Amino acid sequence: EPEVTQTPSHQVTQMGQEVILRCVPISNHLYFYWYRQILGQKVEFLVSFYNNEISEKSEIFDDQFSVERPDGSNFTLKIRSTKLEDSAMYFCASSVPFGDSYNEQFFGPGTRLTVL
Amino acid sequence: GDSVTQMEGPVTLSEEAFLTINCTYTATGYPSLFWYVQYPGEGLQLLLKATKADDKGSNKGFEATYRKETTSFHLEKGSVQVSDSAVYFCALSDPSNTGKLIFGQGTTLQVKP
Repeated sequence: EPEVTQTPSHQVTQMGQEVILRCVPISNHLYFYWYRQILGQKVEFLVSFYNNEISEKSEIFDDQFSVERPDGSNFTLKIRSTKLEDSAMYFCASSVPFGDSYNEQFFGPGTRLTVL
Repeated sequence: GDSVTQMEGPVTLSEEAFLTINCTYTATGYPSLFWYVQYPGEGLQLLLKATKADDKGSNKGFEATYRKETTSFHLEKGSVQVSDSAVYFCALSDPSNTGKLIFGQGTTLQVKP
């Protein structure tokens, strides 16, 4: 069964360093998302991406964040200068094209980012 | 803006007990509603969904009915098992926008033998 994969599973970095989190969405999906979950809190939407551009982003997704689909299979989230409060689990998700009345997103297993 | 509110946990039940986790939502449009489950150390898995009023989603013995009049989507299971211990998230998606999911705060369920 197709699945969303994410690497690495755990990333430890120093404050101020750049990190890139990688995701491989399901191959025929066209919509891609990043969410984050700070330990013990709710899952929060960061950004959605379609047709090689950001379609929506949340207030959390400031200038320190960027996303890219560099090669047609990977979908990356970059944090330019990490802060302590960026420590969280980051989930990638993808979905099939709209055309129905719902949007089922498939989630990856997550990358735990720890900023020291 | 759109939001989801879940009952606070943790919920602790004995095996074979009846489970209800309450979820209510606020939305301006006509959202789809979802329950996701997160087992310890794992990612989010879709448990069930409903796309319009009065739809009932069901999976693995879990059920939830989309109630537009009460803006609710409560999760129920008649007889829980130890293996159901997990965090359960209610979520909505407005199909008129980018389809982003808005999650509730999650409810931890612990089932004891």
